[in-house]
Amino acid sequence: EAGVAQSPRYKIIEKRQSVAFWCNPISGHATLYWYQQILGQGPKLLIQFQNNGVVDDSQLPKDRFSAERLKGVDSTLKIQPAKLEDSAVYLCASSLGYRGSSYEQYFGPGTRLTVT
Amino acid sequence: AQSVTQLGSHVSVSEGALVLLRCNYSSSVPPYLFWYVQYPNQGLQLLLKYTSAATLVKGINGFEAEFKKSETSFHLTKPSAHMSDAAEYFCAVSISNDYKLSFGAGTTVTVRA
Repeated sequence: EAGVAQSPRYKIIEKRQSVAFWCNPISGHATLYWYQQILGQGPKLLIQFQNNGVVDDSQLPKDRFSAERLKGVDSTLKIQPAKLEDSAVYLCASSLGYRGSSYEQYFGPGTRLTVT
Repeated sequence: AQSVTQLGSHVSVSEGALVLLRCNYSSSVPPYLFWYVQYPNQGLQLLLKYTSAATLVKGINGFEAEFKKSETSFHLTKPSAHMSDAAEYFCAVSISNDYKLSFGAGTTVTVRA
């Protein structure tokens, strides 16, 4: 079974530029998550989708971050314009569902973003 | 809101020695608790989880953790460290019926030969 795929793996941009990350979840997984992991910290949930609908985006800085999952499968996360403090690893995870203890989240390898 | 605190950002152990990683949680309702491992340049992998069944939970790679409600703790242990255990370990909490995870800051484990 293929795991969660993410691209690119690494990205370096200058502040005020825009960047997009892509995630393809495990086939059949209805729930998709985007996390931000700043160096020295644990992952922080940015947004959670159930199929193509948003379940929770309370932690997403909506003035510069946006995310979509148009067909309920793969997803893109965009930052525009980027700030220095956006330097982090962006992790995508997926699960069969999002309620109940059996819905384990499977994580992709992440995209390491450096903003200079 | 629920949260976890991991005591010690770095732990160094000798190969063959006990590994003990500490995690304390805060939750106003019965929690679900998890330990994840992250190897360099990889995503997180679930080691084990507590979901209100047995308080002693066994996971992969010889790890186990014990849920202690009176101490609000969920410490991770492995009797004998192996070089391959060098990684970063995260404790996480969610509340029942809501699978959103809140992660601790992580503990980096190094294993000395």
